[in-house]
Amino acid sequence: DSGVTQTPKHLITATGQRVTLRCSPRSGDLSVYWYQQSLDQGLQFLIQYYNGEERAKGNILERFSAQQFPDLHSELNLSSLELGDSALYFCASSVSPVNTGELFFGEGSRLTVL
Amino acid sequence: AQTVTQSQPEMSVQEAETVTLSCTYDTSESDYYLFWYKQPPSRQMILVIRQEAYKQQNATENRFSVNFQKAAKSFSLKISDSQLGDAAMYFCAYRSAEGAGNMLTFGGGTRLMVKP
Repeated sequence: DSGVTQTPKHLITATGQRVTLRCSPRSGDLSVYWYQQSLDQGLQFLIQYYNGEERAKGNILERFSAQQFPDLHSELNLSSLELGDSALYFCASSVSPVNTGELFFGEGSRLTVL
Repeated sequence: AQTVTQSQPEMSVQEAETVTLSCTYDTSESDYYLFWYKQPPSRQMILVIRQEAYKQQNATENRFSVNFQKAAKSFSLKISDSQLGDAAMYFCAYRSAEGAGNMLTFGGGTRLMVKP
């Protein structure tokens, strides 16, 4: 158990809909990262937050947005969903944006868009 | 931007044998970290081993060891005495030690099959 909690684990929805994925980082971790893993693909970095502030942005679509709340949990909002958005979405956390440690990953939220 | 390349989409090894997974990366930075993550069928991302670029000594974790060649920008993973539970996707990852946005950049992955 990495200590990173993601909900929901599975989500099935239709094209055009909007969903919210939630992540609770490890206790004490200030930095949260979101990654997308499409079928049999590598992990693509979407966005990073540190202590409530956006710190880095990767290949995140304009239809997607995220935020980190004062209690440090984070939400990834996906809107106007398309079939190609079907993927496993991982949240990861670390103590600070610059440290020597690894990222700790949640179990992922599997999104299926029909 | 940094890139990570894993040139072997699939590898196969006999149980109890040794296998080496390759990884190369491209960066202009001098201070960074390298990781190997394992992703079993459960899809959980599990850290296997890490290497700090400023350390010349290759990292070792039980049956897992790396061959870190900084000048060649190569970071291979050796798995000794392979076990059935080692079957998984393996991802090589790079993380900058500089700047504010130090996300992990992943390679495309290598699927390791272990034959009994």
